[in-house]
Amino acid sequence: DAMVIQNPRYQVTQFGKPVTLSCSQTLNHNVMYWYQQKSSQAPKLLFHYYDKDFNNEADTPDNFQSRRPNTSFCFLDIRSPGLGDAAMYLCATSRDALFFLAANDEQFFGPGTRLTVL
Amino acid sequence: GESVGLHLPTLSVQEGDNSIINCAYSNSASDYFIWYKQESGKGPQFIIDIRSNMDKRQGQRVTVLLNKTVKHLSLQIAATQPGDSAVYFCAENPSGTYKYIFGTGTRLKVLA
Repeated sequence: DAMVIQNPRYQVTQFGKPVTLSCSQTLNHNVMYWYQQKSSQAPKLLFHYYDKDFNNEADTPDNFQSRRPNTSFCFLDIRSPGLGDAAMYLCATSRDALFFLAANDEQFFGPGTRLTVL
Repeated sequence: GESVGLHLPTLSVQEGDNSIINCAYSNSASDYFIWYKQESGKGPQFIIDIRSNMDKRQGQRVTVLLNKTVKHLSLQIAATQPGDSAVYFCAENPSGTYKYIFGTGTRLKVLA
């Protein structure tokens, strides 16, 4: 059963037209992440939430915003997509290992949404 | 469209041989490390992890070695199979944070 679900798997948008990517999880994990991954590059962390506490990376453009209305869902909003924003967007979750005294802090990734900007 | 990406380093290995993939990490405060496998068009998949209080951990056909002195991590895959062909990333988790920082990645090609 899918644990981290991303919709849609493929998204096409026009230059400057706002787009929203969605992520949901069935793991009840505290932490949710959004990464951007371009071709032949490593995933780059955009931001993460610990519960409703939002943590932005210093180099994440203002064009990227996120919402987490509840534990299960997290959205990535790209306000004015440029050609350089075409990429795979990956959502991931992890548990608060310290709180749960877990053995590891493993991240679980969704399958990604590939964004094309025309 | 998408900007041209960097070429990933590639490791080509004969089927049945052992593979060693290396990773240099950046943050001496990192105390937890993960190796991921990523197949084309899919999200990264957890392979094995290690905490900084260990220098070696073994799984099924995989071993991770950690050298904190030189901030180096390696992944060893025994008896490499065609299904192991993928891009492999190491990720480090700086202590006290929920962040994971990915290394540049290595493409593994298994030759029949």
